[in-house]
Amino acid sequence: QKEVEQDPGPLSVPEGAIVSLNCTYSNSAFQYFMWYRQYSRKGPELLMYTYSSGNKEDGRFTAQVDKSSKYISLFIRDSQPSDSATYLCAMKAPPGGSGGSNYKLTFGKGTLLTVNP
Amino acid sequence: GAGVSQSPRYKVAKRGQDVALRCDPISGHVSLFWYQQALGQGPEFLTYFQNEAQLDKSGLPSDRFFAERPEGSVSTLKIQRTQQEDSAVYLCASSWGQMNTEAFFGQGTRLTVV
Repeated sequence: QKEVEQDPGPLSVPEGAIVSLNCTYSNSAFQYFMWYRQYSRKGPELLMYTYSSGNKEDGRFTAQVDKSSKYISLFIRDSQPSDSATYLCAMKAPPGGSGGSNYKLTFGKGTLLTVNP
Repeated sequence: GAGVSQSPRYKVAKRGQDVALRCDPISGHVSLFWYQQALGQGPEFLTYFQNEAQLDKSGLPSDRFFAERPEGSVSTLKIQRTQQEDSAVYLCASSWGQMNTEAFFGQGTRLTVV
């Protein structure tokens, strides 16, 4: 079992839909949680990050972390065709973590999202 | 430029050939990371530098992989005697410090071994 599990999709939605993307993880040391967006043939671009549990909102994007369930989510409201990309969750442990987990990111496989006009 | 720059963008190598991939991090960034991204997968950690010191190379798949950052800025990832399983996108990322959450990624080098 991988440390981070993410449904690869693909996920196809109509423009304007609310999109929900999710990851589960097994390493309880993870405290920093990130969502990256990766367009085709480009590098990952950081969208959101949260520390520990809770919600964070940035425009049309909301990130949620439920540490008790080891489950994180990214919601996209009023989705646009320009949101079509692969969404990667990533996480790491805080300073003092073992095995390098405090500096190296552990990624999910990524979910391919297509928003149709 | 202001971002992380990687070159070449694409590289085709014959099996057994040696390759060198270059990363120019954002100026002043202390930390530099290499990741490998296979088709349809998330990036996997390869190695980590803090300035010129290679603090972690635990993710390098074999002793054919070697990375360096001799002056604490530009880094090179070298792969000797390439194999087909080395085909992937190699991503470089940099950040201000070790604990800084935001790592900025380059566009990657897509390596195809034929």
